[in-house]
This record gives sequence, structure tokens and C-alpha cells, in this order.
Amino acid sequence: GAVVSQHPSRVICKSGTSVKIECRSLDFQATTMFWYRQFPKQSLMLMATSNEGSKATYEQGVEKDKFLINHASLTLSTLTVTSAHPEDSSFYICSAREVKGGAYNEQFFGPGTRLTVL
Amino acid sequence: AQTVTQSQPEMSVQEAETVTLSCTYDTSENNYYLFWYKQPPSRQMILVIRQEAYKQQNATENRFSVNFQKAAKSFSLKISDSQLGDTAMYFCAFLGAGNNRKLIWGLGTSLAVNP
Repeated sequence: GAVVSQHPSRVICKSGTSVKIECRSLDFQATTMFWYRQFPKQSLMLMATSNEGSKATYEQGVEKDKFLINHASLTLSTLTVTSAHPEDSSFYICSAREVKGGAYNEQFFGPGTRLTVL
Repeated sequence: AQTVTQSQPEMSVQEAETVTLSCTYDTSENNYYLFWYKQPPSRQMILVIRQEAYKQQNATENRFSVNFQKAAKSFSLKISDSQLGDTAMYFCAFLGAGNNRKLIWGLGTSLAVNP
């Protein structure tokens, strides 16, 4: 199956700094990528949907100025957590939807990034 | 709005036994997709099985099978011959067939397979 990578897998930063997380589709093109946040023992919460070459669509309650998403190419999307605070500590998962045409295009998930803000 | 409900937060099963995880959903759409995802301790999301709503036949993938009841809006997952490696969180998810579609997730069921 298709592979989605995320980098870094773990990051620890100081409060007030910014952190960038990269999401890449390694062997397929993805016009749409999704960013999720997951708290321990909870479900995935969609933060935003990014489409290549256009602005991301944020879910209600997600601050777009705090969580900057860029989808510059068909294989790369980035999430930047600006001025991170301890409450931003979480597990962030990206997902990419394959472009194949037809009614259904499978969505593949990255391995996640654990962010800890001190 | 679509919703997905998993009513079993935790379940356990003995190795080699069979276990069924429940999922119900609500939608007004006629065409859609349903999924079961597995998230092991590594936290990598893995697609277990997919069901297209227009297909009456229940999907099967080796030891994993679903009981899809469209009228009842029920989509349960049966794991046969449970293995220790099946220990994970299992999420049921819904995907509509329209534009701007996004996965709608259940809260998950934590499954423990005991030796």
C-alpha cells in the first residue's frame, strides 16, 4: 500500500517557540491531506483539510493563525504550531488521500508526531 | 450531520476466540463508505476493512469480517481466531460520497487479546 511519512516523529520544544511538522506521500500524489490531533485514549479530531495549491479549510474551533498549514505540492503538506504552549502538547497525525479518479480514493495515514511543549 | 457511535469503550477476548465490535451510524445519504481502522500501541492507523454501502455482500479480509445492516445503520466487526497482535484500539469510521467529504470517527473500542 501507499506510504505516508511524518517528520519529526517526536519533538520537544519550549513554550513560545514554533514547531513545523512535515507530511509526505512517498509513492503517490495527494491533492488532499488531512491533519488530525489525538489525545491519549481518544479518537482522532480533524483539525483541517488542505488542498494542494489552495488555503486549508479549518474545522470549527481550530485557530488557523496558530496552526498554519501549507500544502505546496502534491506530495508535501506542513503543519506549523506557532507560539506553542503546553496545552498544544498532543499527538498529531497527517493523512493523505490518493488521487486515482473514480468514486473512492483511499486515505493513508502517517505514523504521527508526538509534540511535547515544556 | 453524520455520526458514528461505538458503544463499547473496552473489550477483551481470549486468544483464538472470536470477538465482535459494534458500530452504529446515522446518515441521510444513500451512498457512502464504512471503515474499521486499527491503531496498535505504535499508533499507526491501519485500515482493517472497508464496506461500500451499495454492496449488499459483507466485506471480508482474512480473519476480519463485517456484518453490515444498512437499514439498521449497523456495521459490526468480527475478529475470528483472535491473536495477541490484534490488541489495539479499533475505530469505526464513515465517509460520505459527496464533495468535500471527510472521515467521521467513532470514539473507538480498546480491544485486549489475552493469552
